[in-house]
Amino acid sequence: GENVEQHPSTLSVQEGDSAVIKCTYSDSASNYFPWYKQELGKRPQLIIDIRSNVGEKKDQRIAVTLNKTAKHFSLHITETQPEDSAVYFCAAAPKAAGNKLTFGGGTRVLVKP
Amino acid sequence: GAVVSQHPSRVICKSGTSVKIECRSLDFQATTMFWYRQFPKQSLMLMATSNEGSKATYEQGVEKDKFLINHASLTLSTLTVTSAHPEDSSFYICSASDTNRDGYTFGSGTRLTVV
Repeated sequence: GENVEQHPSTLSVQEGDSAVIKCTYSDSASNYFPWYKQELGKRPQLIIDIRSNVGEKKDQRIAVTLNKTAKHFSLHITETQPEDSAVYFCAAAPKAAGNKLTFGGGTRVLVKP
Repeated sequence: GAVVSQHPSRVICKSGTSVKIECRSLDFQATTMFWYRQFPKQSLMLMATSNEGSKATYEQGVEKDKFLINHASLTLSTLTVTSAHPEDSSFYICSASDTNRDGYTFGSGTRLTVV
């Protein structure tokens, strides 16, 4: 089955700096890669996703890059703000619907004012 | 957008009793439902996958007789934790998928505490 590794497990950045979280996956059949933000006791919130037919996607301060050959993908948050503090999870699935989503271990991000 | 309603949000039960958690898709047909468990400061671990009208597929290490899943309709799936023990205390969350639309819609989660 799919195995998703995520690094780092914790990340502390100064407000305004960038944050980068990296994930690797094992199953070459995976082609859907979402990123979730989860606040304590809440459901995961989709912040951005990417499919295997593109290498990069951007939405305001958030960007995701995908290298299918190397089986890794990364989340980039620029101009971080204190409200970006949360736990972030990467995930992978064979396609965007109907197939199980495998999560990475999570990254606890703390943005210091 | 797609919405999944999950109830209860919190439940405290005594050891040995059973607890039922419901997930209902409000504006779409959830052909597949995923049930996850999340222990404090850990990731979401998939417990089982269910498709409407068929038996659930359980992940390795998850006891199917302890975690009963029913997906009797396209809008409702339930997870029953039977004979609960303190080690079953966790955050349980469902995620619905519809083959007609991309993505996964998560319920709001259930915090189960077994005392």
